[in-house]
Amino acid sequence: EVQLVESGGGLVQPGGSLRLSCAASGFNVSSKYMTWVRQAPGKGLEWVSILYSGGITYYADSVKGRFTISRDNSKNTLYLQMNNLRAGDTAIYYCARDYPPGGVYGMDVWGQGTTVTVSS
Amino acid sequence: NFKLTQPHSVSESPGKTVTISCTGSSGNIDSSYVQWYQQRPGSAPTTVIYGENQRPSGVPDRFSGSIDISSNSASLTISGLKTEDEADYYCQSYDGTTVVFGGGTKLTVL
Repeated sequence: EVQLVESGGGLVQPGGSLRLSCAASGFNVSSKYMTWVRQAPGKGLEWVSILYSGGITYYADSVKGRFTISRDNSKNTLYLQMNNLRAGDTAIYYCARDYPPGGVYGMDVWGQGTTVTVSS
Repeated sequence: NFKLTQPHSVSESPGKTVTISCTGSSGNIDSSYVQWYQQRPGSAPTTVIYGENQRPSGVPDRFSGSIDISSNSASLTISGLKTEDEADYYCQSYDGTTVVFGGGTKLTVL
């Protein structure tokens, strides 16, 4: 069964760091485009970052320079390293897999999300 | 920056047909495919339409997508509304290498 399971969310102070994980099963993250999407409380979906199968990465302007997307092929896991966190980063973070070939047909598989709260 | 605009909310009665619009801020709405996601309260989004009006397995043919170039907009049409269709719906497309979501539309079936 194809599945994505996020973890690593929690409460962190402004300026702090957190690393989110997204464990995949049923497919190889290395062969797919993988995306992080977040949703602030009561708000809509916001794209955060994408990692192409070839290793190229892109980020939303709101997180550029602070967040880093990566993967560990041996663990079949996608990551999102979040540094210098702000209150505005408070959200549920979803990882998602792109329909092949990637970057064309949107996302076909979503995780259940992990909650990040940035507050003092 | 390219933006997608959706109505905040729509409502319709069971058995009727509803259309949710998604208007591009610039350029050509058909330069990239427009996807549609359904999100029920407390759940992750799921795809209802992707590519050229394609439905994932398990999505009924009551859901369909279309493009209107003249208005630079995409639409999601749901026919034969059921109470289970009540959810938030998001359109999504691309601006080059950037993924763009619409603001979402809350569908109430009453």
